[in-house]
Amino acid sequence: DAGVTQSPTHLIKTRGQQVTLRCSPKSGHDTVSWYQQALGQGPQFIFQYYEEEERQRGNFPDRFSGHQFPNYSSELNVNALLLGDSALYLCASSLVIRTADTQYFGPGTRLTVL
Amino acid sequence: AQKVTQAQTEISVVEKEDVTLDCVYETRDTTYYLFWYKQPPSGELVFLIRRNSFDEQNEISGRYSWNFQKSTSSFNFTITASQVVDSAVYFCALSEALFNQAGTALIFGKGTTLSVSS
Repeated sequence: DAGVTQSPTHLIKTRGQQVTLRCSPKSGHDTVSWYQQALGQGPQFIFQYYEEEERQRGNFPDRFSGHQFPNYSSELNVNALLLGDSALYLCASSLVIRTADTQYFGPGTRLTVL
Repeated sequence: AQKVTQAQTEISVVEKEDVTLDCVYETRDTTYYLFWYKQPPSGELVFLIRRNSFDEQNEISGRYSWNFQKSTSSFNFTITASQVVDSAVYFCALSEALFNQAGTALIFGKGTTLSVSS
């Protein structure tokens, strides 16, 4: 049973560039959530996708956008990168969006912005 | 507003000691879910337990146990006879059951770093 996978593992970008991170959910899951974890902090919710639509969004600017595909995989896009965007980006998948089903996390993508 | 507080930033123990990680939460909802996750140095968050607000029974799983008390809004986690492999960052998280709208974001505490030495 494949768990949540994310790519790439690491990424280095410069300020002003754009980045796309990818996530494949655990087998059988239909909901994908994205979190940003700065060093020494707890993960912060970015947004959640279900049925290819953004269903809930945290306190992140419009520079952060996403997409969910028919096979439930998802992308996180960040435009106009800032130094403060350097963090571990975690993807989580779950089933049955309305009942706070357990979210299972992938290994994360570590983004460094120089 | 929802909030999770893990007041203990770092805890250091010696192997075989028992250790309790504290978690206090705030929510206006009557229906909510609480979680504990473990984050080893590799970075991946590992799910440990999920509890709903209607189930105040304590739970034990091997060396792990959880004490949920609604009266004090606490959901504490105890590791009995700690081992070096327990060294990690532990996060407590809260999610409200938004039955009237989609979305089930997890609100995390800042985490407690547990170091177990041999």
